[in-house]
Amino acid sequence: GQNIDQPTEMTATEGAIVQINCTYQTSGFNGLFWYQQHAGEAPTFLSYNVLDGLEEKGRFSSFLSRSKGYSYLLLKELQMKDSASYLCAVRDTDSGAGSYQLTFGKGTKLSVIP
Amino acid sequence: DAGVTQSPTHLIKTRGQHVTLRCSPISGHKSVSWYQQVLGQGPQFIFQYYEKEERGRGNFPDRFSARQFPNYSSELNVNALLLGDSALYLCASSLETVSYEQYFGPGTRLTVT
Repeated sequence: GQNIDQPTEMTATEGAIVQINCTYQTSGFNGLFWYQQHAGEAPTFLSYNVLDGLEEKGRFSSFLSRSKGYSYLLLKELQMKDSASYLCAVRDTDSGAGSYQLTFGKGTKLSVIP
Repeated sequence: DAGVTQSPTHLIKTRGQHVTLRCSPISGHKSVSWYQQVLGQGPQFIFQYYEKEERGRGNFPDRFSARQFPNYSSELNVNALLLGDSALYLCASSLETVSYEQYFGPGTRLTVT
């Protein structure tokens, strides 16, 4: 099974940098995902990490340490439109051959203030 | 390009009724997954289908069932609705079962009264 923890809420200032942490405990691991979800909308894919290290994509970066069961999402040059929930999700190798089962954390609600 | 589409957008049902939710994946995507998202929580995996076969099932009762059609569209059925089934039901599609990019549809908001 999976256990995924991330902070419930965070607040940051426009133009600043914010780091959203995610820790996980899994019986198997085959990748960690970050999704952004605006209120009332579907989640949108942000990043995927399967090896240790930092993946950078524009203003967004995601880091993974498999030995520590830890990931973070880094958002730079925050904009008001970045106010959303950020979901950490882990793909489980135990979910069966050829299966793609994601286990999500509860999400971190980020509020960007002027 | 059309993304994942779901119907209906919103639905209100009473306890004990049955509901069918529909999903059309992105053109060319063969895998469809269903998730339930209760307010304030992350999505919870219900089913994954690939080439019309069930490839994964989450921890949901037998009241929940699904199927995938030859055109890769999918239906989620829920019988004997309970108040706790009120949630946003999300469908996600991907090219293959192990593709790392999974695209979500807008969801169906189900309210059970």
